[in-house]
Amino acid sequence: KQEVTQIPAALSVPEGENLVLNCSFTDSAIYNLQWFRQDPGKGLTSLLLIQSSQREQTSGRLNASLDKSSGRSTLYIAASQPGDSATYLCAVRPQGNQFYFGTGTSLTVIP
Amino acid sequence: GAGVSQSPSNKVTEKGKDVELRCDPISGHTALYWYRQSLGQGLEFLIYFQGNSAPDKSGLPSDRFSAERTGGSVSTLTIQRTQQEDSAVYLCASSLALRDRPSQETQYFGPGTRLLVL
Repeated sequence: KQEVTQIPAALSVPEGENLVLNCSFTDSAIYNLQWFRQDPGKGLTSLLLIQSSQREQTSGRLNASLDKSSGRSTLYIAASQPGDSATYLCAVRPQGNQFYFGTGTSLTVIP
Repeated sequence: GAGVSQSPSNKVTEKGKDVELRCDPISGHTALYWYRQSLGQGLEFLIYFQGNSAPDKSGLPSDRFSAERTGGSVSTLTIQRTQQEDSAVYLCASSLALRDRPSQETQYFGPGTRLLVL
């Protein structure tokens, strides 16, 4: 069974700082990997999706990378803002129908 | 356009009662997922519907859980004889899920139903 781990569990940074969130998975046979943010009491919002054949995806201040062979993905957030405060989740999809989610990194950006 | 909607947003029930949770996916999305998010835990896959194919029920934790998807659109998740450990947020997501167009695998989530079993 695929295991997804996210480190750190919580992170607090001052506004303007660049930061990296980490996601690791145990089985490299994945179809894609998706990063989400979840605001308190809300559902998940998709940020970036990386196919297994890709190495990175970018959207605005966000950049996600994928190293399938080592079972790792990172989410880089540039010039962090208080509005980036949320829980960030990564999810991997093996060849089947299930997505496996990590437990998330809770990010606080301090003004 | 309209996103994924779920109802009710909150549900409090007594142990042993049955509950029904509803999900309205984005129009035209062929795939629909149900997940459960317990306090301090990651999302747990429950069930997957894709078009007219038989659903993937491999994540359902017990036979008290069942789900239907009528007409390829609205889905209901039913929990019979609820237990306190069923308390969680139940999230629904939909996607176009076309493997030949992978960019449309993106899942869109509803706001969830927060279930509390007393």
